[in-house]
Amino acid sequence: GAGVSQSPSNKVTEKGKDVELRCDPISGHTALYWYRQSLGQGLEFLIYFQGNSAPDKSGLPSDRFSAERTGGSVSTLTIQRTQQEDSAVYLCASSLYGLQLTDTQYFGPGTRLTVL
Amino acid sequence: QKEVEQDPGPLSVPEGAIVSLNCTYSNSAFQYFMWYRQYSRKGPELLMYTYSSGNKEDGRFTAQVDKSSKYISLFIRDSQPSDSATYLCAMRAGANSKLTFGKGITLSVRP
Repeated sequence: GAGVSQSPSNKVTEKGKDVELRCDPISGHTALYWYRQSLGQGLEFLIYFQGNSAPDKSGLPSDRFSAERTGGSVSTLTIQRTQQEDSAVYLCASSLYGLQLTDTQYFGPGTRLTVL
Repeated sequence: QKEVEQDPGPLSVPEGAIVSLNCTYSNSAFQYFMWYRQYSRKGPELLMYTYSSGNKEDGRFTAQVDKSSKYISLFIRDSQPSDSATYLCAMRAGANSKLTFGKGITLSVRP
């Protein structure tokens, strides 16, 4: 079946512009996660959705970052007034339940964001 | 100190070698341990997981957890060029908690 998809695969933007990154999770998965992967920093957790609610948004680095999920499916991560330090690969993952210890997260291919 | 520390690498080995990848952690609440593999320009994929101290084997891969030392390892036997990827350890404290990842180590297996 279809995996997690993300769009765009690459995004180049100018400093100060807003960007929207999209994630389509695996159908039926109730949990959705956003991570950021920077060179030398590994994967950093950003936000977790259970359905349309975000019980954990502790990883969002600043108020320029926001995310929403609608219909328990598609999610959008928005970065306002982008800065050069926002350049990274943004990864989305989904899992079936989210609240079980053994719940496996399936990752999308990521969106590579470059802020000039 | 970060919650999860992983050997930085990169690591280059000849085909057929045994590879040992390691992570240490500081949070004693972690109880679920995973290894993810990430090929270039792809998302990570789950390779192995384990709950308890001891070894878990799957083909050429063995995951080892030592909770008393807060140390986990992934061993790859008879390494192949197709094993060339970045390997990330990840841990979780409980059902409602997020995954915490190591920084990842890039492995290259030379034919």
